[in-house]
Amino acid sequence: DTAVSQTPKYLVTQMGNDKSIKCEQNLGHDTMYWYKQDSKKFLKIMFSYNNKELIINETVPNRFSPKSPDKAHLNLHINSLELGDSAVYFCASSQGWDRGYEQYFGPGTRLTVT
Amino acid sequence: AQKVTQAQTEISVVEKEDVTLDCVYETRDTTYYLFWYKQPPSGELVFLIRRNSFDEQNEISGRYSWNFQKSTSSFNFTITASQVVDSAVYFCALPSGGGADGLTFGKGTHLIIQP
Repeated sequence: DTAVSQTPKYLVTQMGNDKSIKCEQNLGHDTMYWYKQDSKKFLKIMFSYNNKELIINETVPNRFSPKSPDKAHLNLHINSLELGDSAVYFCASSQGWDRGYEQYFGPGTRLTVT
Repeated sequence: AQKVTQAQTEISVVEKEDVTLDCVYETRDTTYYLFWYKQPPSGELVFLIRRNSFDEQNEISGRYSWNFQKSTSSFNFTITASQVVDSAVYFCALPSGGGADGLTFGKGTHLIIQP
């Protein structure tokens, strides 16, 4: 069984559209994250979510919003997509907030905005 | 602020050579953790190792070894007898702050193992 899964793997859409990426983890972890990897492979944290507490990276536009229906899921919703949103988005999970816990990543979703 | 520097953008070696990937970090914390991740061409991110600042012993796992030196703020990764399957981008990372802040990653080193 896949530990952290994301759907879809590829997403191609036009500017201005709204889209969602789903993430599920079956590791029983308490904390989930969203990262963005740009075209130069640079990875940057977007959100951290633990037990209904959300930490938002200050650089993330408010067009991006995470939604967690339960502990095992953290979906990413993006409004009014822009060309600059094209990237690979990774979901991750860890056992808890503590900074010593390793994070396990999903396979990534490649978003292309045209 | 937390910072991770991987100065080697790309390394190319011939199979069976040993190769070392460098990682230098800056942290405001007195105790901290460091991580290495592998991103093969298929794109997923694979956790390799976690190290805490209390333990400066070198870690070895098969052909992989890690050298942590607190005095030089480095956490280098060596692959012995490299194989084509080791070709990937390797990232060094440390917590951005508390765990809730996620990880700060270096820019990665693209390792190419030529047959």
